[in-house]
Amino acid sequence: AQSVTQLGSHVSVSEGALVLLRCNYSSSVPPYLFWYVQYPNQGLQLLLKYTSAATLVKGINGFEAEFKKSETSFHLTKPSAHMSDAAEYFCAVSHGSSNTGKLIFGQGTTLQVKP
Amino acid sequence: KAGVTQTPRYLIKTRGQQVTLSCSPISGHRSVSWYQQTPGQGLQFLFEYFSETQRNKGNFPGRFSGRQFSNSRSEMNVSTLELGDSALYLCASSFGGGAYEQYFGPGTRLTVT
Repeated sequence: AQSVTQLGSHVSVSEGALVLLRCNYSSSVPPYLFWYVQYPNQGLQLLLKYTSAATLVKGINGFEAEFKKSETSFHLTKPSAHMSDAAEYFCAVSHGSSNTGKLIFGQGTTLQVKP
Repeated sequence: KAGVTQTPRYLIKTRGQQVTLSCSPISGHRSVSWYQQTPGQGLQFLFEYFSETQRNKGNFPGRFSGRQFSNSRSEMNVSTLELGDSALYLCASSFGGGAYEQYFGPGTRLTVT
C-alpha cells in the first residue's frame, strides 16, 4: 500500500526566507510523486511532479523538489518566500507501474508567510 | 484551453436526500477522478473513470457512485445523504493517470443539514 506523510501541518516563514515543506512516502513500487498547492476556496494546482527522470524537479513559481530514494523523501523548497506563497500544500503519490489515476495525498501543510 | 469545470459550485441538501455533481474535463482528457476533501480526513480518493469505465475505486460506501459519458464528462451521485458527507468534492482530469498530471476543478462545496 502507498502512503504519504507530510511533517508539520503548519509552517511559518518570513518573507524572503527559505521555504522547506517535508514529504515522505511509502511505496512498494517506484512511485510517481506530485506537489500541489491549494488557495482558499479553490481547487488544487500542480506545482511539480517526479516521474523517474531527473531527481531534482523544478516547478512553477520558483519551487523545486528533490527525490531521494534512500530517504523515501520528496521535500519541496523555494529559496525566497513571497507573501503570495501563503496557501496549503499537498504532497501526493501514485502507483509508478500502472496508469491508475488514483492519487494518495498527505494531510497537507499550511504555509504562513510573515511580512 | 478551458480548464476543468464543476457544477454546481455550492449545494445545500438535507439528510436523506440524494445529490448529483457534474464535472467537465479538459478537452482530450479521458480520465476523470473524484476526491472528497474534509478538514478531518483530508483528501480522499473516491473513484476514477477512464473511457466510460470505472478503473479504480476508493474505500467509500456504495451510496457514492459515478459514471462517465462518451464525451468524458462525469457525474457522481451520493444517495441517502448523511451529515458526514458535507465536504468539498473535487474532480480532476488527465490524459490517462499514472505519470500524467491531474488537473483539478474548483470543486463543489456540499453542505448536508
